[in-house]
Amino acid sequence: IVLTQSPGTLSLSPGERATLSCRTSQDVNSVFFGWYQQKPGQTPRLLIYGASKRAAGIPDRFSGRGSGADFTFSISRLEPEDFAVYYCHYYGRSPWTFGQGTKVEI
Amino acid sequence: QVQLVESGGGVVQPGMSLRLSCVASGFPFSSYTMHWVRQAPGKGLEWVAVMSYNAINYYYADSVKGRFNVSRDNSRNTLFLELRSLRLEDTAVYYCATGRECGGDDCPLLHPNWGQGTTVTVSS
Repeated sequence: IVLTQSPGTLSLSPGERATLSCRTSQDVNSVFFGWYQQKPGQTPRLLIYGASKRAAGIPDRFSGRGSGADFTFSISRLEPEDFAVYYCHYYGRSPWTFGQGTKVEI
Repeated sequence: QVQLVESGGGVVQPGMSLRLSCVASGFPFSSYTMHWVRQAPGKGLEWVAVMSYNAINYYYADSVKGRFNVSRDNSRNTLFLELRSLRLEDTAVYYCATGRECGGDDCPLLHPNWGQGTTVTVSS
């Protein structure tokens, strides 16, 4: 299963809304779909699992939705600390697959 | 809470070997499938290997098949990855992570959990 993220880079300002897309090469079980945030030199941080559930401690400005082969991740109002790379991930079967990443930059 | 601590990384020459370890706590390790994922400098996330909870089933990425070996010791809550015939392109941070498959009656994890990673540098 191939995961394709778009856009590759998103240039926005603090306070704006960010919307990221991840399309899978075939329908997947949304129960096992997630989104990660990664900042330089840091471990990927799980934000969303089950396509739409926020992980523990994740602010409600982060949200996810989708099913089948089409998934979306949004940040309602960008905070300075949200500028990072975001990856989608399907963990429903092996091999795990990841999107190539979307960089959200100022 | 769930904790995964990787170790064993280092700087090695091409062709050499390393053994990575991942010590787990805070969940029933022996019930869960475990994965290794790596990230080369400036690159995305690449899945490497998986081992079932009972060590019976295991799979590898084509890029490491025949050179890497995954194993686990459930009595020590530890996952291993033996890296052999290392290449320059194996340079990466290696992460262990919990899988979704649970083979026991106690299955508390809601999603993948990741360790902090251990760095492998292959350089001549």
